[in-house]
Amino acid sequence: NAGVTQTPKFRILKIGQSMTLQCTQDMNHNYMYWYRQDPGMGLKLIYYSVGAGITDKGEVPNGYNVSRSTTEDFPLRLELAAPSQTSVYFCASSTRGQGFTEAFFGQGTRLTVV
Amino acid sequence: ILNVEQSPQSLHVQEGDSTNFTCSFPSSNFYALHWYRWETAKSPEALFVMTLNGDEKKKGRISATLNTKEGYSYLYIKGSQPEDSATYLCAFYGGSQGNLIFGKGTKLSVKP
Repeated sequence: NAGVTQTPKFRILKIGQSMTLQCTQDMNHNYMYWYRQDPGMGLKLIYYSVGAGITDKGEVPNGYNVSRSTTEDFPLRLELAAPSQTSVYFCASSTRGQGFTEAFFGQGTRLTVV
Repeated sequence: ILNVEQSPQSLHVQEGDSTNFTCSFPSSNFYALHWYRWETAKSPEALFVMTLNGDEKKKGRISATLNTKEGYSYLYIKGSQPEDSATYLCAFYGGSQGNLIFGKGTKLSVKP
């Protein structure tokens, strides 16, 4: 049972490049989330999904897109990377809506935009 | 803007010391309070999800209490061990904002 798996672990992007952060979970959780953590700050919600085909914006969605074609996968797309997107990104999943049950997190992706 | 405050920001203790830290959150529209333990280079892992005022939860040497009326939760670690070194995150879930609001964390270092 792998839990939540994120790839890649590290990435350096140049300004204006695009990339997709992959996230997959094998726990059959309906709810999935993308967070970012900036130095000295708490985790901020970027996007979330309550099931396949359904996504919604979180607190800081600008510059990102997501899709949820299957229960298992929830990729995060960065278009036109900017230095402000330098951060550590975490994918998470839960059985019920966030807040009501514990979230299971991936190991994170450290992204640097130069 | 909803705010979750954790104190202290960092803490250095000796092995065997007991320690505690605080999470403060809005006292209105309370649904749940989460505690996570986050070791460097690993995933944050859930310790507790607390929903009731006066709730006390325990996992081994770690315990937590909850006061929803005054808006705070304490996390206690009894007899700290070097493997307890981690950042401890709390997160508040209220009915109005739709998502977990995380604090900045308390970074605990336990020296052997």
